[in-house]
Amino acid sequence: EVQLVQSGAEVKKSGESLRISCKGSGYSFTTYWIAWVRQMPGKGLEWMGLIYPGDSDTRYSPSFQGQVTISADKSITTAFLQWSSLKASDSAMYYCARRGSSTAFDIWGRGTMVAVSP
Amino acid sequence: EIVMTQSPVTLSLSPGERATLSCRASQSVTSTYLSWYQQKPGQAPRLLIYGASTRASGVPARFSGSGSGTDFTLTISSLQPEDFAVYYCQQDYNLPYTFGQGTKLEIK
Repeated sequence: EVQLVQSGAEVKKSGESLRISCKGSGYSFTTYWIAWVRQMPGKGLEWMGLIYPGDSDTRYSPSFQGQVTISADKSITTAFLQWSSLKASDSAMYYCARRGSSTAFDIWGRGTMVAVSP
Repeated sequence: EIVMTQSPVTLSLSPGERATLSCRASQSVTSTYLSWYQQKPGQAPRLLIYGASTRASGVPARFSGSGSGTDFTLTISSLQPEDFAVYYCQQDYNLPYTFGQGTKLEIK
């Protein structure tokens, strides 16, 4: 089964660092882009950026450039989203999604909830 | 950045009715790169339509997509109770890839 399994919910304090993960299985991890999408409480979907695990080519939305780091470790078929210094405004659900051969995002993880207290 | 604007923001209909959701791009998007997603409360988004008009695997035939250039439409021919959800269009033609703000389809 093709799937993306995300790490569990996180509760952090403002200023702390965090890395969440997204493990792909059931397909060739290195040959599909993986994107990260933010959804703030009660709001819509925001595209943050994506990475090609085969060569770690990474693209960011200008809204998130410099705010987060996207990486991948192909040896463990896992993509990561990390923050060096969290803010309360980073509190949201974060989804990873695979960009399929159709170019759309065809496989989604269940999401990782991040809660950051001021 | 391509801005995707969906209308209406909320659509109130009854089961059995036809739903028409619109998505307008601020600049032309090649149809290949226009997708629609469904999101139900507490769930991840689900791909419904890609390439503007191709149903994803397992998506019922009552869902259809159309359009080109800057104007795209998602149509649900006869609403079922499980179709009431939020729908998003997305372009992955130009970086940054962008979503519309969503249309909430609610039961009237």
